[in-house]
Amino acid sequence: QAVVTQEPSLTVSPGGTVTLTCGSSTGAVTSGHYPYWFQRKPGQAPRTLIYDTNNKQPWTPARFSGSLLGGQAALTLSTAQPEDEAEYYCLLYFGGARVFGGGTQLTVL
Amino acid sequence: QVHLQQSGPGLVKPSETLSLSCIVSGDSINGYSWSWIRQPPGKGLEWIGYISYSGSTTYNPSLRSRVTISTDASQNQFSLRLNSVSAADTAVYYCARHSSAYDSWGQGTLVTVSS
Repeated sequence: QAVVTQEPSLTVSPGGTVTLTCGSSTGAVTSGHYPYWFQRKPGQAPRTLIYDTNNKQPWTPARFSGSLLGGQAALTLSTAQPEDEAEYYCLLYFGGARVFGGGTQLTVL
Repeated sequence: QVHLQQSGPGLVKPSETLSLSCIVSGDSINGYSWSWIRQPPGKGLEWIGYISYSGSTTYNPSLRSRVTISTDASQNQFSLRLNSVSAADTAVYYCARHSSAYDSWGQGTLVTVSS
């Protein structure tokens, strides 16, 4: 089974910009992996921010965007807000099964 | 607005079967795909599997031999069964609507495997 890798933790200053990445042990991440990005806050169910690389759910703040960057999926947060502090998980498609990354703990400080 | 309500025991004995249900309200279960996802304590999310709108299933290879996801259209619900559980299956289990980009989730059920 493929392994999906994410940065374990990142810190961003309020108002700053940060990019989270999502890689695959099988090679470059492409649009064919249909990358998803989820936000998870303590005590809450995850919620989808980005699907199919760069599509947003109706509730996704405009400051979040998804892309492919250097063979990885990327989630960019611009103008970080304190409420963006959370865990972020990517999910990739591998011909049927899906695999989550290990998650990135994002601190806004 | 679709709502997912999970039900099932919070404690299961080792070697027994974990069974959870997810009741869908606000929309029909037909025409959508449905997933189960879990998070062990202190660890990340793990994709368990999903059942498509056509009834076909896809499972995490690491769980495939023990897991079954099914739907009951008459009850507008779908279910998870995980056989031969061990302590490693202790986790918060979530149901979610797979299609529509996981737009709806259940509240989560902490299932502890212990004698």
